[in-house]
Amino acid sequence: DGGITQSPKYLFRKEGQNVTLSCEQNLNHDAMYWYRQDPGQGLRLIYYSQIVNDFQKGDIAEGYSVSREKKESFPLTVTSAQKNPTAFYLCATKGQGDEKLFFGSGTQLSVL
Amino acid sequence: GQQVMQIPQYQHVQEGEDFTTYCNSSTTLSNIQWYKQRPGGHPVFLIQLVKSGEVKKQKRLTFQFGEAKKNSSLHITATQTTDVGTYFCAAGGKLIFGQGTELSVKP
Repeated sequence: DGGITQSPKYLFRKEGQNVTLSCEQNLNHDAMYWYRQDPGQGLRLIYYSQIVNDFQKGDIAEGYSVSREKKESFPLTVTSAQKNPTAFYLCATKGQGDEKLFFGSGTQLSVL
Repeated sequence: GQQVMQIPQYQHVQEGEDFTTYCNSSTTLSNIQWYKQRPGGHPVFLIQLVKSGEVKKQKRLTFQFGEAKKNSSLHITATQTTDVGTYFCAAGGKLIFGQGTELSVKP
């Protein structure tokens, strides 16, 4: 959706390297989410944040970290502890009183 | 934790044929949402169902929520090439996603 910007579109990680995926929104939504998508496995929740300066682990948080210092931004760091990072990463937001998710266009992360 | 099973994983149809994907849970769901992801794109919200036995229609798409609120279906009548993509259900307050059904349509 136009109000959610994910960058970069493609990212390559070397062994032992941490990389950060950016997610910025101008929808004024409180809640933000990070999902990982692997072929044939649907979307799995990594981390989510309901308000600024607060976030919770999702189902597959190991090897990832996040921060939520601003309402507009929810960056995801894929650390070297994540041994199988190759996937399509999707950021999503949800507005207060609204149940549906709005997704960004995603970042494809690959390992060199 | 809560799991949502979606079947089939793939469906190949001839243009004009109907298509159905099913979403099942072992626990009662508070709600269920459906999303469509075009090839190379991102998921886009289609609809949310909340009530037991609810049926909603969007043109050629019909969405149903089971009486026990443990299953849901998406039916497309007379598929078109524009229907190509992966259809996901997502359920509950934490929006647990099913594995998706990838639909291909042969012209």
